[in-house]
Amino acid sequence: DTGVSQNPRHKITKRGQNVTFRCDPISEHNRLYWYRQTLGQGPEFLTYFQNEAQLEKSRLLSDRFSAERPKGSFSTLEIQRTEQGDSAMYLCASSPPTGTGYNEQFFGPGTRLTVL
Amino acid sequence: EDKVVQSPLSLVVHEGDTVTLNCSYEVTNFRSLLWYKQEKKAPTFLFMLTSSGIEKKSGRLSSILDKKELSSILNITATQTGDSAIYLCAELTNAGKSTFGDGTTLTVKP
Repeated sequence: DTGVSQNPRHKITKRGQNVTFRCDPISEHNRLYWYRQTLGQGPEFLTYFQNEAQLEKSRLLSDRFSAERPKGSFSTLEIQRTEQGDSAMYLCASSPPTGTGYNEQFFGPGTRLTVL
Repeated sequence: EDKVVQSPLSLVVHEGDTVTLNCSYEVTNFRSLLWYKQEKKAPTFLFMLTSSGIEKKSGRLSSILDKKELSSILNITATQTGDSAIYLCAELTNAGKSTFGDGTTLTVKP
């Protein structure tokens, strides 16, 4: 399967613990996005990478969230000192390079986080 | 923060009906508007609209962008039960940031 993959698919943690999620984009896709989605709402933009550079980060993102894409391929999203309000589906998407601008994003299956 | 508003929030129709879903945006540095379909998993891409007035069509689905009105519509003709899903629209800026609406939940009854 050459689609976007995310691991783990499900994560249950206790409040105050740190969690890390991984996203592997489609090969050759240089752009990578992280979103958070809760029930009844659309995906909420968290951050965006072009290659290894983090170009955009939502102002809604607190300092407890950090994302990396060290070699411009896979990316990790870490949440420190988790809170119950962090419970959500975390989605990753990637899109290919293009000379004419941005185009569609291909989404991974998501990581569902439950904070107890 | 940019905002994308979709209407209606939910819609229940019967098979064979035609539906129109609305999306309005208020965004600086707009580049494109995208439509996605989301069932019980991650969103799947439907359309990307960049130019005003040009309809994009895929089977029974079609969409058009009106940059003057800062809006877009998604039409589905001859609906089927398999069309039941959440339909999301998102605007994409030149900087690469995307903002999603909260979606329209479409239920198609047999």
